[in-house]
Amino acid sequence: SAVISQKPSRDICQRGTSLTIQCQVDSQVTMMFWYRQQPGQSLTLIATANQGSEATYESGFVIDKFPISRPNLTFSTLTVSNMSPEDSSIYLCSVLGYSGELFFGEGSRLTVL
Amino acid sequence: KNQVEQSPQSLIILEGKNCTLQCNYTVSPFSNLRWYKQDTGRGPVSLTIMTFSENTKSNRRYTATLDADTKQSSLHITASQLSDSASYICVRGGNNRLAFGKGNQVVVIP
Repeated sequence: SAVISQKPSRDICQRGTSLTIQCQVDSQVTMMFWYRQQPGQSLTLIATANQGSEATYESGFVIDKFPISRPNLTFSTLTVSNMSPEDSSIYLCSVLGYSGELFFGEGSRLTVL
Repeated sequence: KNQVEQSPQSLIILEGKNCTLQCNYTVSPFSNLRWYKQDTGRGPVSLTIMTFSENTKSNRRYTATLDADTKQSSLHITASQLSDSASYICVRGGNNRLAFGKGNQVVVIP
């Protein structure tokens, strides 16, 4: 299994500001992902964080809004830029284990006023 | 339309009782069906992963079933405990992509 630490666990932000969420894994992993979980909705994949190259974004998500860094195999950051109330959500980091199981961090709950 | 539909959306059960949660998925190809438990304020935790060749899998008091012909899965919780209060998320895996349901919200009351 993989132990994933995310921070901050929650934050309240002002409209127009940006927030960076950090994800630290206790072991080296190849596949690392960022998800969004809006209230009452299913998890939605934002992007795959690629080590040493640009992230792969899903339809509806762009790098300017959600820049991602992956400097090594154990760490990644997701920035939510120029936030609006519609960005209020839980953001989850996840990694793919060798068995094909997907492990999730505890999530970062973001509230934008 | 979501590729994975779960029912009921929410459920209240008495401690010690059993309950069954339903999941219908609509898209192929299919390689595996997963159930996750998400406690309030926590990240999802895997309960079971089943391939198309498996039709039942248990993890302690949780038993998942799968009917690949009808594209249906269920999660049965036996002798529910207060700690079972959570959202249970059904996830279809296939073609290197995952499709998530919105979850069944279960509340267990004493």
